[in-house]
Amino acid sequence: AQSVTQPDIHITVSEGASLELRCNYSYGATPYLFWYVQSPGQGLQLLLKYFSGDTLVQGIKGFEAEFKRSQSSFNLRKPSVHWSDAAEYFCAVVLTGTASKLTFGTGTRLQVTL
Amino acid sequence: DGGITQSPKYLFRKEGQNVTLSCEQNLNHDAMYWYRQDPGQGLRLIYYSQIVNDFQKGDIAEGYSVSREKKESFPLTVTSAQKNPTAFYLCASSIRGAESYNEQFFGPGTRLTVL
Repeated sequence: AQSVTQPDIHITVSEGASLELRCNYSYGATPYLFWYVQSPGQGLQLLLKYFSGDTLVQGIKGFEAEFKRSQSSFNLRKPSVHWSDAAEYFCAVVLTGTASKLTFGTGTRLQVTL
Repeated sequence: DGGITQSPKYLFRKEGQNVTLSCEQNLNHDAMYWYRQDPGQGLRLIYYSQIVNDFQKGDIAEGYSVSREKKESFPLTVTSAQKNPTAFYLCASSIRGAESYNEQFFGPGTRLTVL
């Protein structure tokens, strides 16, 4: 079955430490890939997206993600986490030609300790 | 300011009652979407509309209804047939594209609680 997996439900990092959030997808073809962030009780904000080309994509707020076709992964990274990065992060995919229907992972909640 | 407005932010309803959630956008986007969010389950698509007067069911449409009479508005009705309606509801919109994906912009959400 086609799916998006975020294996880490909850991650805690210290402020200033590096961060990597994992995302794996299971589709026959390479989908479009996205990372969204959600602060408590708020809507979602797009951090970055991958359609094609350079497999390392830069996003807002200092985030980046790397697409690895061989591993069907699209992991999100940040070299140095700030306390304001505490939020929930969602990986999402859309298959080409599917009317922009996003499929989301279950999310990873990031806690940042000072 | 351009954006997506959802009202109300918090909504309480008694069991057996229908309730309508509002979603308005002034981004001149063609496509609009409704998602439901439950803890630990991510977002799931309820309904979407790519053009006025047309909409399609998403993955979890049972117990919900929508209308798209105006480009800027896409209200969602949670009917009494929805067995577990308590959730956070998010509306989104995007420029409708032919074959390519267009970014979805999200509203701030409405938290519905059934008492």
